[in-house]
Amino acid sequence: GAVVSQHPSWVICKSGTSVKIECRSLDFQATTMFWYRQFPKQSLMLMATSNEGSKATYEQGVEKDKFLINHASLTLSTLTVTSAHPEDSSFYICSASSTGVSYEQYFGPGTRLTVT
Amino acid sequence: GQNIDQPTEMTATEGAIVQINCTYQTSGFNGLFWYQQHAGEAPTFLSYNVLDGLEEKGRFSSFLSRSKGYSYLLLKELQMKDSASYLCAVTHQGGKLIFGQGTELSVKP
Repeated sequence: GAVVSQHPSWVICKSGTSVKIECRSLDFQATTMFWYRQFPKQSLMLMATSNEGSKATYEQGVEKDKFLINHASLTLSTLTVTSAHPEDSSFYICSASSTGVSYEQYFGPGTRLTVT
Repeated sequence: GQNIDQPTEMTATEGAIVQINCTYQTSGFNGLFWYQQHAGEAPTFLSYNVLDGLEEKGRFSSFLSRSKGYSYLLLKELQMKDSASYLCAVTHQGGKLIFGQGTELSVKP
């Protein structure tokens, strides 16, 4: 149980375009989903927390207009990188929780974004 | 603010024991996690400590001292497949996880 999927697993896009990444909880209802970004040789950095049906809470320094997060259902959250630039190239990982507590947080497999 | 420190890299020999330390300063502490992450993959859960003491799970053990803001992950009988990055993460209010920079462990034959 507690499986989280992400789609796509990797994507290459041109600079200036937008990319949408999906995060799905397959066998449980995720009231809270978290989005992380990881640059090479670095650790995971929390970008935002989203609760189903409400606006996402962004961490300091993360542009909410550039990284659009939608959590419209209890099993799906999406992250849209708008007007992508090469510096947005990174590994994006989501995690999901049915209770909102961190010890019940399950990670997706990640999405590798490359912006050319 | 939050600050989590762990060594950047460590090297150990197959069959040996290695201890990876993590020190932290954070508000709203709700527990500490250790994750293993292989390159290009998502982190996988290893352990969770919320009370002081040692938690043992097979070849892996994790220790926490809340008063000292200190934890360690102990890996016994090292195998080549244990070569990975080990992430210390502290829980924060609202269920957020704040990660340390990770320790890259290389296991040599």
